[in-house]
Amino acid sequence: SAVISQKPSRDICQRGTSLTIQCQVDSQVTMMFWYRQQPGQSLTLIATANQGSEATYESGFVIDKFPISRPNLTFSTLTVSNMSPEDSSIYLCSVGTGIQETQYFGPGTRLLVL
Amino acid sequence: ILNVEQSPQSLHVQEGDSTNFTCSFPSSNFYALHWYRWETAKSPEALFVMTLNGDEKKKGRISATLNTKEGYSYLYIKGSQPEDSATYLCAFTSGTYKYIFGTGTRLKVLA
Repeated sequence: SAVISQKPSRDICQRGTSLTIQCQVDSQVTMMFWYRQQPGQSLTLIATANQGSEATYESGFVIDKFPISRPNLTFSTLTVSNMSPEDSSIYLCSVGTGIQETQYFGPGTRLLVL
Repeated sequence: ILNVEQSPQSLHVQEGDSTNFTCSFPSSNFYALHWYRWETAKSPEALFVMTLNGDEKKKGRISATLNTKEGYSYLYIKGSQPEDSATYLCAFTSGTYKYIFGTGTRLKVLA
Protein backbone atom coordinates (compact mmCIF):
# COMPACT_ATOMS: atom_id res chain seq x y z
CA SER A 1 0.00 0.00 0.00
CA ALA A 2 1.08 3.59 -0.65
CA VAL A 3 1.88 6.19 2.00
CA ILE A 4 -0.26 9.27 1.44
CA SER A 5 0.07 12.66 3.12
CA GLN A 6 -2.20 15.67 2.99
CA LYS A 7 -1.67 19.33 3.80
CA PRO A 8 -3.08 21.06 5.71
CA SER A 9 -4.44 18.58 8.22
CA ARG A 10 -7.05 21.11 9.33
CA ASP A 11 -8.02 24.72 8.75
CA ILE A 12 -10.57 27.30 9.73
CA CYS A 13 -11.50 29.65 6.89
CA GLN A 14 -13.71 32.64 6.33
CA ARG A 15 -16.69 32.59 4.03
CA GLY A 16 -15.83 33.64 0.48
CA THR A 17 -12.19 32.60 0.60
CA SER A 18 -10.52 29.61 -1.10
CA LEU A 19 -8.35 26.82 0.27
CA THR A 20 -5.99 24.52 -1.64
CA ILE A 21 -5.40 21.05 -0.25
CA GLN A 22 -2.34 19.06 -1.27
CA CYS A 23 -2.04 15.29 -1.60
CA GLN A 24 1.37 13.64 -1.89
CA VAL A 25 1.98 9.92 -2.52
CA ASP A 26 5.28 8.13 -1.91
CA SER A 27 5.08 6.19 -5.18
CA GLN A 28 3.66 6.66 -8.65
CA VAL A 29 0.00 5.69 -8.86
CA THR A 30 -2.38 5.39 -11.75
CA MET A 31 -5.49 6.75 -10.13
CA MET A 32 -6.04 9.54 -7.63
CA PHE A 33 -9.39 10.59 -6.24
CA TRP A 34 -10.85 13.30 -4.04
CA TYR A 35 -13.64 12.60 -1.56
CA ARG A 36 -15.66 14.69 0.85
CA GLN A 37 -17.42 13.74 4.06
CA GLN A 38 -19.89 16.31 5.29
CA PRO A 39 -21.02 16.04 8.93
CA GLY A 40 -23.26 12.99 9.40
CA GLN A 41 -22.92 11.98 5.77
CA SER A 42 -21.04 9.27 3.92
CA LEU A 43 -17.77 9.68 2.09
CA THR A 44 -18.69 10.96 -1.37
CA LEU A 45 -16.51 11.00 -4.46
CA ILE A 46 -15.91 14.51 -5.81
CA ALA A 47 -13.72 13.73 -8.81
CA THR A 48 -10.98 11.63 -10.34
CA ALA A 49 -7.73 13.55 -10.76
CA ASN A 50 -6.27 12.75 -14.18
CA GLN A 51 -2.59 13.27 -14.84
CA GLY A 52 -2.05 15.69 -17.67
CA SER A 53 -5.72 16.38 -18.35
CA GLU A 54 -8.83 17.84 -16.76
CA ALA A 55 -10.33 16.04 -13.77
CA THR A 56 -13.49 13.96 -14.16
CA TYR A 57 -16.21 15.28 -11.84
CA GLU A 58 -19.09 13.35 -10.32
CA SER A 59 -22.65 14.53 -10.52
CA GLY A 60 -23.19 17.53 -8.30
CA PHE A 61 -19.59 18.73 -8.37
CA VAL A 62 -18.18 21.29 -10.81
CA ILE A 63 -14.74 22.47 -11.79
CA ASP A 64 -15.40 26.12 -10.90
CA LYS A 65 -16.10 25.16 -7.30
CA PHE A 66 -13.51 22.37 -6.93
CA PRO A 67 -10.63 22.93 -9.36
CA ILE A 68 -8.17 20.04 -9.31
CA SER A 69 -4.62 19.74 -10.56
CA ARG A 70 -2.50 16.66 -11.10
CA PRO A 71 0.86 17.62 -12.56
CA ASN A 72 2.44 14.18 -12.10
CA LEU A 73 1.79 10.65 -10.86
CA THR A 74 2.54 11.38 -7.19
CA PHE A 75 0.85 14.73 -6.47
CA SER A 76 -2.55 16.40 -6.71
CA THR A 77 -4.30 19.47 -5.33
CA LEU A 78 -7.95 20.22 -4.67
CA THR A 79 -9.11 23.80 -4.24
CA VAL A 80 -12.35 24.60 -2.46
CA SER A 81 -13.38 27.94 -3.96
CA ASN A 82 -15.57 30.73 -2.65
CA MET A 83 -16.26 28.76 0.50
CA SER A 84 -19.50 28.76 2.46
CA PRO A 85 -20.30 27.04 5.77
CA GLU A 86 -21.79 24.13 3.76
CA ASP A 87 -18.26 23.32 2.59
CA SER A 88 -17.26 22.42 6.15
CA SER A 89 -16.20 18.80 5.71
CA ILE A 90 -13.37 16.34 5.81
CA TYR A 91 -11.64 16.17 2.43
CA LEU A 92 -9.65 13.03 1.62
CA CYS A 93 -7.55 11.98 -1.30
CA SER A 94 -7.22 8.34 -2.24
CA VAL A 95 -5.14 6.34 -4.68
CA GLY A 96 -5.63 3.14 -6.60
CA THR A 97 -3.48 1.05 -8.88
CA GLY A 98 -6.37 -0.09 -11.00
CA ILE A 99 -10.11 0.22 -11.37
CA GLN A 100 -10.79 -2.99 -9.48
CA GLU A 101 -8.12 -2.61 -6.80
CA THR A 102 -8.45 -1.45 -3.19
CA GLN A 103 -8.14 2.30 -2.76
CA TYR A 104 -5.89 3.74 -0.06
CA PHE A 105 -6.64 6.99 1.66
CA GLY A 106 -4.80 9.96 3.04
CA PRO A 107 -5.46 11.18 6.61
CA GLY A 108 -7.84 13.89 5.47
CA THR A 109 -8.12 17.67 5.77
CA ARG A 110 -10.66 18.93 8.29
CA LEU A 111 -12.14 22.18 7.07
CA LEU A 112 -14.37 24.52 9.04
CA VAL A 113 -15.85 27.52 7.23
CA LEU A 114 -17.18 30.36 9.36
CA ILE B 1 -29.56 5.64 -7.00
CA LEU B 2 -27.25 3.20 -5.29
CA ASN B 3 -27.52 3.23 -1.52
CA VAL B 4 -25.32 1.62 1.12
CA GLU B 5 -26.60 1.52 4.67
CA GLN B 6 -24.79 0.66 7.88
CA SER B 7 -26.23 -0.16 11.26
CA PRO B 8 -26.07 0.68 14.02
CA GLN B 9 -24.92 4.26 13.58
CA SER B 10 -22.95 4.04 16.82
CA LEU B 11 -22.50 1.74 19.77
CA HIS B 12 -20.65 1.50 23.04
CA VAL B 13 -19.40 -1.84 24.32
CA GLN B 14 -17.38 -2.92 27.32
CA GLU B 15 -13.84 -4.18 26.92
CA GLY B 16 -13.92 -7.91 26.26
CA ASP B 17 -17.38 -7.90 24.69
CA SER B 18 -17.87 -9.19 21.19
CA THR B 19 -19.84 -7.10 18.75
CA ASN B 20 -21.01 -7.02 15.16
CA PHE B 21 -22.45 -4.55 12.71
CA THR B 22 -24.14 -4.67 9.36
CA CYS B 23 -23.61 -3.23 5.89
CA SER B 24 -26.49 -3.44 3.38
CA PHE B 25 -25.85 -2.82 -0.29
CA PRO B 26 -27.48 -3.32 -3.71
CA SER B 27 -27.51 -7.01 -4.68
CA SER B 28 -27.45 -6.21 -8.41
CA ASN B 29 -24.30 -5.30 -10.35
CA PHE B 30 -22.16 -6.34 -7.39
CA TYR B 31 -18.39 -6.55 -7.81
CA ALA B 32 -16.78 -6.04 -4.40
CA LEU B 33 -17.45 -4.92 -0.84
CA HIS B 34 -14.71 -3.16 1.11
CA TRP B 35 -14.41 -2.65 4.86
CA TYR B 36 -12.29 0.14 6.33
CA ARG B 37 -11.44 1.20 9.88
CA TRP B 38 -11.11 4.95 10.39
CA GLU B 39 -9.59 6.37 13.54
CA THR B 40 -9.81 10.09 14.16
CA ALA B 41 -7.04 12.11 12.47
CA LYS B 42 -5.69 9.01 10.72
CA SER B 43 -6.11 7.51 7.27
CA PRO B 44 -8.92 5.02 6.78
CA GLU B 45 -7.28 1.59 6.99
CA ALA B 46 -8.33 -1.09 4.53
CA LEU B 47 -9.49 -4.19 6.44
CA PHE B 48 -11.06 -6.50 3.88
CA VAL B 49 -12.12 -6.70 0.27
CA MET B 50 -14.74 -9.33 -0.42
CA THR B 51 -15.98 -10.42 -3.82
CA LEU B 52 -17.61 -13.87 -3.66
CA ASN B 53 -20.92 -14.81 -2.11
CA GLY B 54 -20.22 -16.67 1.11
CA ASP B 55 -16.75 -15.11 1.51
CA GLU B 56 -15.41 -15.04 5.04
CA LYS B 57 -12.31 -13.01 5.87
CA LYS B 58 -10.41 -12.76 9.16
CA LYS B 59 -7.71 -10.44 10.48
CA GLY B 60 -6.83 -11.08 14.10
CA ARG B 61 -9.97 -10.58 16.19
CA ILE B 62 -11.90 -9.04 13.32
CA SER B 63 -13.80 -11.07 10.75
CA ALA B 64 -16.34 -10.39 8.04
CA THR B 65 -18.89 -12.33 6.02
CA LEU B 66 -20.57 -11.58 2.71
CA ASN B 67 -23.98 -12.42 1.25
CA THR B 68 -24.26 -10.96 -2.24
CA LYS B 69 -27.63 -12.54 -3.01
CA GLU B 70 -29.40 -10.68 -0.23
CA GLY B 71 -27.01 -7.73 -0.21
CA TYR B 72 -25.44 -7.64 3.23
CA SER B 73 -22.12 -8.06 5.00
CA TYR B 74 -21.41 -8.47 8.70
CA LEU B 75 -18.29 -7.31 10.52
CA TYR B 76 -17.50 -9.07 13.80
CA ILE B 77 -15.07 -8.05 16.52
CA LYS B 78 -14.28 -10.67 19.12
CA GLY B 79 -13.16 -9.57 22.58
CA SER B 80 -13.26 -5.82 21.86
CA GLN B 81 -10.35 -3.71 23.07
CA PRO B 82 -10.15 0.07 23.56
CA GLU B 83 -7.86 0.29 20.53
CA ASP B 84 -10.72 -1.05 18.40
CA SER B 85 -12.55 2.23 18.95
CA ALA B 86 -13.00 3.75 15.50
CA THR B 87 -15.53 4.30 12.75
CA TYR B 88 -16.02 1.24 10.54
CA LEU B 89 -16.93 1.99 6.93
CA CYS B 90 -18.12 -0.29 4.19
CA ALA B 91 -17.99 0.58 0.49
CA PHE B 92 -19.72 -1.09 -2.45
CA THR B 93 -18.38 -1.13 -5.98
CA SER B 94 -19.88 -2.48 -9.17
CA GLY B 95 -16.48 -2.91 -10.78
CA THR B 96 -15.65 0.70 -11.54
CA TYR B 97 -13.40 3.15 -9.71
CA LYS B 98 -16.37 4.60 -7.87
CA TYR B 99 -16.90 3.47 -4.29
CA ILE B 100 -20.30 3.97 -2.68
CA PHE B 101 -19.78 4.34 1.06
CA GLY B 102 -22.13 3.86 3.96
CA THR B 103 -22.22 6.46 6.73
CA GLY B 104 -20.25 4.17 9.04
CA THR B 105 -20.65 2.59 12.45
CA ARG B 106 -18.92 4.47 15.24
CA LEU B 107 -17.62 2.03 17.86
CA LYS B 108 -16.49 3.05 21.33
CA VAL B 109 -14.95 0.36 23.53
CA LEU B 110 -15.00 1.26 27.20
CA ALA B 111 -12.14 0.08 29.42
